[in-house]
Amino acid sequence: SAVISQKPSRDICQRGTSLTIQCQVDSQVTMMFWYRQQPGQSLTLIATANQGSEATYESGFVIDKFPISRPNLTFSTLTVSNMSPEDSSIYLCSAGHLTEAFFGQGTRLTVV
Amino acid sequence: DAKTTQPPSMDCAEGRAANLPCNHSTISGNEYVYWYRQIHSQGPQYIIHGLKNNETNEMASLIITEDRKSSTLILPHATLRDTAVYYCIVWNSGGSNYKLTFGKGTLLTVNP
Repeated sequence: SAVISQKPSRDICQRGTSLTIQCQVDSQVTMMFWYRQQPGQSLTLIATANQGSEATYESGFVIDKFPISRPNLTFSTLTVSNMSPEDSSIYLCSAGHLTEAFFGQGTRLTVV
Repeated sequence: DAKTTQPPSMDCAEGRAANLPCNHSTISGNEYVYWYRQIHSQGPQYIIHGLKNNETNEMASLIITEDRKSSTLILPHATLRDTAVYYCIVWNSGGSNYKLTFGKGTLLTVNP
């Protein structure tokens, strides 16, 4: 199984600022995904991080708000831009290869 | 959209078997059935997956009906630490719908 490390594990940010979340996988993976989990809710897919090209965003999520990078097969970043209190959530990174997919422990973001 | 249906909650006595059902009547031939669980404030944890045969590992057993339209996750001897939200997901990582999408899951509460 792959081990996924996310940084930071939690942060408290001022509204209007941006936060970049890092996701590092300990082995090469085919797919990387970013999710948001609002309090008491299930996971909502934000986008698929594509190596060397623009991420594929789900309905309701846009690149200007959630820019994503994936420079190689083991690393990705998600930026939450121009934050508002409504962005307070847990953000999770997932990595998949062949028939397996694993998750990081998430980044708990509070916007004040 | 999630392709699975699960009961929102279930209770189980400690030491007894927990049987969690999942309906996936629109599953396609190359999609696997996956189960994850999420313990409070943690990232989802992979439990087990299968295509058509029943599967067993150190955590659980997965029973898939012959028509593949439903499945049951079995925790043979539930403990208090098994209290979590359990997600049933159908996924084909190599298919056109490669995204790992979560439904609402089942909150399993294991009682002393």
